[in-house]
Amino acid sequence: AQSVAQPEDQVNVAEGNPLTVKCTYSVSGNPYLFWYVQYPNRGLQFLLKYITGDNLVKGSYGFEAEFNKSQTSFHLKKPSALVSDSALYFCAVRANNNDMRFGAGTRLTVKP
Amino acid sequence: GAGVSQSPSNKVTEKGKDVELRCDPISGHTALYWYRQSLGQGLEFLIYFQGNSAPDKSGLPSDRFSAERTGGSVSTLTIQRTQQEDSAVYLCASSQRGGLAVYYEQYFGPGTRLTVT
Repeated sequence: AQSVAQPEDQVNVAEGNPLTVKCTYSVSGNPYLFWYVQYPNRGLQFLLKYITGDNLVKGSYGFEAEFNKSQTSFHLKKPSALVSDSALYFCAVRANNNDMRFGAGTRLTVKP
Repeated sequence: GAGVSQSPSNKVTEKGKDVELRCDPISGHTALYWYRQSLGQGLEFLIYFQGNSAPDKSGLPSDRFSAERTGGSVSTLTIQRTQQEDSAVYLCASSQRGGLAVYYEQYFGPGTRLTVT
């Protein structure tokens, strides 16, 4: 069965600095990787996904993520963080089935 | 268009009572998922429906939990004889299904916050 690890419970960055939220995965076969964001008192929103092709995928709100097969990672990045990016971020992986597995989440705090 | 809706938004119940949580998926989405999110925890998969196929119930934590999906649309998650450890936010999500179902992202509802006293 597939699994996802988000090694950091909390990430703190200053506004304007680059941010990285880490994700590693374990899956048999080809991985399909997703990032979701949960703003306070709101539901989860889809950010971006990797299915195939270019290892660098771009998503909503200026976020991007890089798929690294050798390191089994799919880290979320943004060149310049905004205070409004503060939220809970979830990485998810799906293999060749419909079973989506989510990580425990990483709370991102961007300070002005 | 309309997103995934869930009702009620909040539910407080006494230990031992039964509760029903409702999910209305996005129109045309044939895949429907239920998850549970406990305070400070990630998303725990509960059950998955795909069209008229038998649901994947592998995530249901006990036989007190069950779910139905009527007419391939609305779904109801039922928890019988609720326990305090059932307190959590229950999230519903739907997604499209074509020939490559794994490619599609899920759209989540706002959740139902269940508190068992």
